[in-house]
Amino acid sequence: NAGVMQNPRHLVRRRGQEARLRCSPMKGHSHVYWYRQLPEEGLKFMVYLQKENIIDESGMPKERFSAEFPKEGPSILRIQQVVRGDSAAYFCASSPQEDLNTEAFFGQGTRLTVV
Amino acid sequence: GENVEQHPSTLSVQEGDSAVIKCTYSDSASNYFPWYKQELGKRPQLIIDIRSNVGEKKDQRIAVTLNKTAKHFSLHITETQPEDSAVYFCAASWTGGSYIPTFGRGTSLIVHP
Repeated sequence: NAGVMQNPRHLVRRRGQEARLRCSPMKGHSHVYWYRQLPEEGLKFMVYLQKENIIDESGMPKERFSAEFPKEGPSILRIQQVVRGDSAAYFCASSPQEDLNTEAFFGQGTRLTVV
Repeated sequence: GENVEQHPSTLSVQEGDSAVIKCTYSDSASNYFPWYKQELGKRPQLIIDIRSNVGEKKDQRIAVTLNKTAKHFSLHITETQPEDSAVYFCAASWTGGSYIPTFGRGTSLIVHP
């Protein structure tokens, strides 16, 4: 099992461009969480998805940010018209469907830098 | 939703000493409390967890205690080693909503050789 895979590991975007971050959960996991980590800060919840469904997006900014987890393929976190304040590490975590209240396995993260 | 407070934000100890990190949570419905260790530039990884039907759990040099009445839980590391240096996050997962793990702000532990 390759674990939670995120790509790219590092992403540089100019202000106004779009950023697409990908997350492939562990095999057999159908629940995906996205977190944002700013320097010297903790992990801030953004969105929780199951296959083809957004379960909770209460932590995601209303504008410019969107997420999806299609039936086939990875989960995508999309940031449109990026600004400097979007620079952060974005972590994806997954957990199995059978036991929701259990360990969330994290990917290596995508470090987004907006220049 | 859940709110998790974590203290201290920075903890510096000498090798061999013990380290204690404390967290409080707000939602009494929370029943799963994991602790993650994040080394510089790496992913957070689970080191120990505890569920609400247990008051204490131990794994070698690491132990976690839970006080449901007071809504706080703590991580204890004994005989610290330089490789324990990392950022530690506590989390609480609540059953009132979507089982989303809510994390504390993290504690940067520095173990001096």
